[in-house]
Amino acid sequence: GAGVSQSPSNKVTEKGKDVELRCDPISGHTALYWYRQSLGQGLEFLIYFQGNSAPDKSGLPSDRFSAERTGGSVSTLTIQRTQQEDSAVYLCASSLGTGGPAGYTFGSGTRLTVV
Amino acid sequence: AQSVTQLDSQVPVFEEAPVELRCNYSSSVSVYLFWYVQYPNQGLQLLLKYLSGSTLVKGINGFEAEFNKSQTSFHLRKPSVHISDTAEYFCAVSVGNQGGKLIFGQGTELSVKP
Repeated sequence: GAGVSQSPSNKVTEKGKDVELRCDPISGHTALYWYRQSLGQGLEFLIYFQGNSAPDKSGLPSDRFSAERTGGSVSTLTIQRTQQEDSAVYLCASSLGTGGPAGYTFGSGTRLTVV
Repeated sequence: AQSVTQLDSQVPVFEEAPVELRCNYSSSVSVYLFWYVQYPNQGLQLLLKYLSGSTLVKGINGFEAEFNKSQTSFHLRKPSVHISDTAEYFCAVSVGNQGGKLIFGQGTELSVKP
């Protein structure tokens, strides 16, 4: 597609439930990133995929968070046993190459509310 | 470790006035620098970027930023703002040997009043 697509745009879930957030990057973009934007925390890096290389998971806040990228395209971020502090906007971005010179294209995000 | 500090969390300004949003970074290696804008209920949009070369970078919507290596700053400026510039602005740094991962500042909320 023309841009980075994220779904759902909004998700309300009960504490303790699992959620899956989806990201469709721009076609041909080899790098894909997940960030979290929460009040008081700004934008935090979560995980990064580049081609067939092992992902950089250094930003994942706990083992309840995981992500996969199938076929080098669509990515799913999974949060298990959600907690109220997981409430945030989850942003996906994609780029050509490693994103440094090219910059990113961000999706509109998924707003997750854990009640 | 790299870090980014945006010195003002909120900047109120009147329409047609000039504005400067301040950003300082810390890094022991060469970096790429970015400014992103986030309009209400939207994702982040790239305003401009510094990679190398001329230290004055021009971006979209009349914004520009100047890279100052000695002061480790990358302040964003616009000579005359519009109501439509009301948004949150994020400064970010990317370290080339870390796969393009961005470190963001905390953001500056620009509020343009008529």
